[in-house]
Order: sequence, then structure tokens, then C-alpha cells
Amino acid sequence: ETGVTQSPTHLIKTRGQQVTLRCSSQSGHNTVSWYQQALGQGPQFIFQYYREEENGRGNFPPRFSGLQFPNYSSELNVNALELDDSALYLCASSSGLEETQYFGPGTRLLVL
Amino acid sequence: QQQVKQSPQSLIVQKGGIPIINCAYENTAFDYFPWYQQFPGKGPALLIAIRPDVSEKKEGRFTISFNKSAKQFSLHIMDSQPGDSATYFCAAYSGAGSYQLTFGKGTKLSVIP
Repeated sequence: ETGVTQSPTHLIKTRGQQVTLRCSSQSGHNTVSWYQQALGQGPQFIFQYYREEENGRGNFPPRFSGLQFPNYSSELNVNALELDDSALYLCASSSGLEETQYFGPGTRLLVL
Repeated sequence: QQQVKQSPQSLIVQKGGIPIINCAYENTAFDYFPWYQQFPGKGPALLIAIRPDVSEKKEGRFTISFNKSAKQFSLHIMDSQPGDSATYFCAAYSGAGSYQLTFGKGTKLSVIP
């Protein structure tokens, strides 16, 4: 069984740029949730994708957007990067709308 | 608005000790409470989880105690080992529409030999 994978592992961008982060869900899982974890904080929910549709969204601005593909992999896109976007971005997968979510290793984004 | 409050922020125990991490919540719609363990540079790993109709759950050296009336739950780590040194997060989930995990701020545990 393959776990949740994310790419890239690290990324450095400058303010105003755009970034795309990628996630492959665990085998058999069709739901992907994205979280932002600032240094020293708990993860904060960005949004969730279920069956290729956005299924819920946290308190993040519209410049955070996403996609889910037919193979259930997902992308997180962030436009007009700000310094405060520097964080660990975590992807979690689950089966349907079950509560048990399994996290990937994350992508560390640094915005300069 | 912080919906899950976690304490302490950090904890140091000797090997073999029993660290206890506490969490409190306000939203009575929460119906699933997992604990995650996170090592530096890694994603959170699910440790153990409980539902509000159960007062205690044990898995190996990890035990969750749950007090529904007080809206509090805690994690106990029996016979703690240096390898348990990590950051622990409690979380809460509501199946009534949001489908998101709401996390506490984390507790950094250090187990000294």
C-alpha cells in the first residue's frame, strides 16, 4: 500500500510569484485535504476535494485554489505569494468522507 | 477563534515517566478526536483516536481519556522512551458538514534518558 506522497519537498519563491504543490493520495483513497502549518503551530485547514469537487474550505483567501484529478491526485495553487505564506503545506487523504486522515510528508515553502 | 485548546506547550519527562497532554474543545458537534505525532521535517502521523461515546481507549503505550461532560480529552504515554520525543497534536473532527480536522497548537515532548 502506497502512502500519501507530495512534491516538491522544498521550494523557495519570491513575493508575488505563483506556486503549485502536488499530492498523490494513499491507495484506495478518493478524498484529499490540504493544510497549512506555520512554524510552531498546528495545521490549519485550507480546503478539501472529494470526487474532483471542492467539499469545504477554511479561512483562506481565493488566491489559494486547488484541483483534484480523476486519479484522485491533487494540486494546491497559491497566487500572489506573500511572506506569510511561508509554511509547511500538508496533504492528507481519506476514504470518502471518513474522519481518519493520513498525512503526507509536506512541502516546505519559503517566500522571500 | 481557537476551537481546540492544548496544554502544555512543552513537556520534559524522564525515560519511563508518563507524560500527559490535555485538550479542551467547545464545539459539541465534534464527534471524532485523533492524536497525531510529528517529528521534525515530517508530516503528522496518526497515533490513536476516540469517539465521545467511549471514556478511554488504549493502543500499546498510548491511552486517550475522554470526558464528554467537561469537553476535555487527554493523551497519556506509558513508559515513555527517548524515541517518543516529538510534537503531539490533538485534533477534533465534525462529520456534520465541515469534514475538516481542527488542531490544537501542539505539545513538544522531550523524553530524557
